[in-house]
Amino acid sequence: GAVVSQHPSWVICKSGTSVKIECRSLDFQATTMFWYRQFPKQSLMLMATSNEGSKATYEQGVEKDKFLINHASLTLSTLTVTSAHPEDSSFYICSARGRYPSTDTQYFGPGTRLTVL
Amino acid sequence: QKEVEQNSGPLSVPEGAIASLNCTYSDRGSQSFFWYRQYSGKSPELIMSIYSNGDKEDGRFTAQLNKASQYVSLLIRDSQPSDSATYLCAVKDRVGVNYGGATNKLIFGTGTLLAVQP
Repeated sequence: GAVVSQHPSWVICKSGTSVKIECRSLDFQATTMFWYRQFPKQSLMLMATSNEGSKATYEQGVEKDKFLINHASLTLSTLTVTSAHPEDSSFYICSARGRYPSTDTQYFGPGTRLTVL
Repeated sequence: QKEVEQNSGPLSVPEGAIASLNCTYSDRGSQSFFWYRQYSGKSPELIMSIYSNGDKEDGRFTAQLNKASQYVSLLIRDSQPSDSATYLCAVKDRVGVNYGGATNKLIFGTGTLLAVQP
């Protein structure tokens, strides 16, 4: 149980284009989803938190107009990187938390590796 | 600023030995603690959670929590080369407030790299 999927697993795009990443909770309802970014050999960095049906809460320094987050249902959240540039190349990971199996635990998706040329 | 601290390592142990990973946290009122394992190039996967003082065992893994001293540790018995990974300690923020929202997010340590030598 508690499986989170992400799509795509990797994407390569040209500078200036937008990329959408999907995060789905497959066997539980995710009341809260989190989006992280991780650069090589660095720590996880929380970008934003989204509650179903509400606007996302962004961490300091994260541009909300550049990283658009939508949490339209209890099983799906999307992250759109708008006008992507090479410095946005990173490993983007979502995690989800719901009432079951545990209200506390976050379960991570497999991640999406974004490369911007 | 609430913090979770870990030694970055690498922690090198021989196969079959006990690996001991430690973590300290700054918020004395924290209630929920987690250990995640992250293989290189992969996302974190949950090992176990712990909420009460003392030990919690799950297979070869034992989490230990001491709220008075504000530390949580993870012991891995009979370490295997496949245990080689970065181990992340995480503490649930009691009330996380960012730009007007309460998130109860996890605060992660920077992780300890474990290398189990065959």
